[in-house]
Amino acid sequence: GQNIDQPTEMTATEGAIVQINCTYQTSGFNGLFWYQQHAGEAPTFLSYNVLDGLEEKGRFSSFLSRSKGYSYLLLKELQMKDSASYLCAVMDSGAGSYQLTFGKGTKLSVIP
Amino acid sequence: DTEVTQTPKHLVMGMTNKKSLKCEQHMGHRAMYWYKQKAKKPPELMFVYSYEKLSINESVPSRFSPECPNSSLLNLHLHALQPEDSALYLCASSQGQGLAGGSEQYFGPGTRLTVT
Repeated sequence: GQNIDQPTEMTATEGAIVQINCTYQTSGFNGLFWYQQHAGEAPTFLSYNVLDGLEEKGRFSSFLSRSKGYSYLLLKELQMKDSASYLCAVMDSGAGSYQLTFGKGTKLSVIP
Repeated sequence: DTEVTQTPKHLVMGMTNKKSLKCEQHMGHRAMYWYKQKAKKPPELMFVYSYEKLSINESVPSRFSPECPNSSLLNLHLHALQPEDSALYLCASSQGQGLAGGSEQYFGPGTRLTVT
């Protein structure tokens, strides 16, 4: 099984930087994903980390430490449209099959 | 093109009805997924097809029956559902699975299902 933990809600100011943390426990780690989901819409893929370190993609960066079971998503130059839920998801391999399990998501509110 | 399409967008059905949800992708992806998402909850995996074979069935009740007619299509057949099955049903696809790369999943817009 897996245990994925992330904060339930966060609030940040437009133009600022926000870091959303995720901790996980898994038996067969095969990568960590971050997704963005606006209310009433489908999740959208943001980033993928399988090796330790930082992956940068425009205003969004994601970091992974496998030894600590820890990841964060960093959002820079926040915009109002970044208000959404951010889902941390871990790919686990067990009995030869791959399964993506989502955390409960962090609802980010960006305020003027 | 990273588009996954789903039909219908909305579906209202009674507990005695039989209906089907459809999903399609033309990205050449070899893995396709069904998820169920209740309000304010994360998506929960229901089924995984890899190379058109069912590889994961997460103990889903038999009133949900998946079908993968070919590598581009995925169906979910619904029969004798309960009101608690009302949810957003999401289809996703990925190029592959595991560390080989291309394992990120792309989601369709979902079908919002209401069971009355």
